[in-house]
Amino acid sequence: EAQVTQNPRYLITVTGKKLTVTCSQNMNHEYMSWYRQDPGLGLRQIYYSMNVEVTDKGDVPEGYKVSRKEKRNFPLILESPSPNQTSLYFCASTKRGLVNYGYTFGSGTRLTVV
Amino acid sequence: AQSVSQHNHHVILSEAASLELGCNYSYGGTVNLFWYVQYPGQHLQLLLKYFSGDPLVKGIKGFEAEFIKSKFSFNLRKPSVQWSDTAEYFCAVMVDYGQNFVFGPGTRLSVLP
Repeated sequence: EAQVTQNPRYLITVTGKKLTVTCSQNMNHEYMSWYRQDPGLGLRQIYYSMNVEVTDKGDVPEGYKVSRKEKRNFPLILESPSPNQTSLYFCASTKRGLVNYGYTFGSGTRLTVV
Repeated sequence: AQSVSQHNHHVILSEAASLELGCNYSYGGTVNLFWYVQYPGQHLQLLLKYFSGDPLVKGIKGFEAEFIKSKFSFNLRKPSVQWSDTAEYFCAVMVDYGQNFVFGPGTRLSVLP
């Protein structure tokens, strides 16, 4: 089944403890992206990647890192999480040339930083 | 920078009522437009999309949307809502061949049985 898989689905952590949220897609998509969803703000793009080793900042990149060493994986790294990063995170992917068809989204990761 | 606005934060309807959710975007060039739906506790799913051709597009579950270029709008409609349409709806704009995919803040729809 074609899908975008995020792990974990739920995570509670303490301020300052480094964490990684994984994202993997099995559709051979070039484009991948991370969003955070907050009430009243919709989805805001954190980082995106056009292909392997090509990443760029979205609208709200502060406090986050990403890497794209392989086409299928696009992990989101929080080096020192803070409470304002408590949010619902979505990974998404789409294929170059098919971007008109929109992104396929993962099931989300709900992160709480205490 | 591109932006997307949605007219209503929360809409409450009774079953069988007609629905129209407003969406406006700010971008002067060619855009691709989307509506996504997020059912409670689930991820976003594509409802419908527009990228060229007939400005009236039909999506899944009886939804449709009309692109009015002169008004920079892409409103979502459904003639008769059901309780199962209770969800949050997001309008989104894609520009620059996918480098910029901007979502609106969302409209929560509650349908009363």
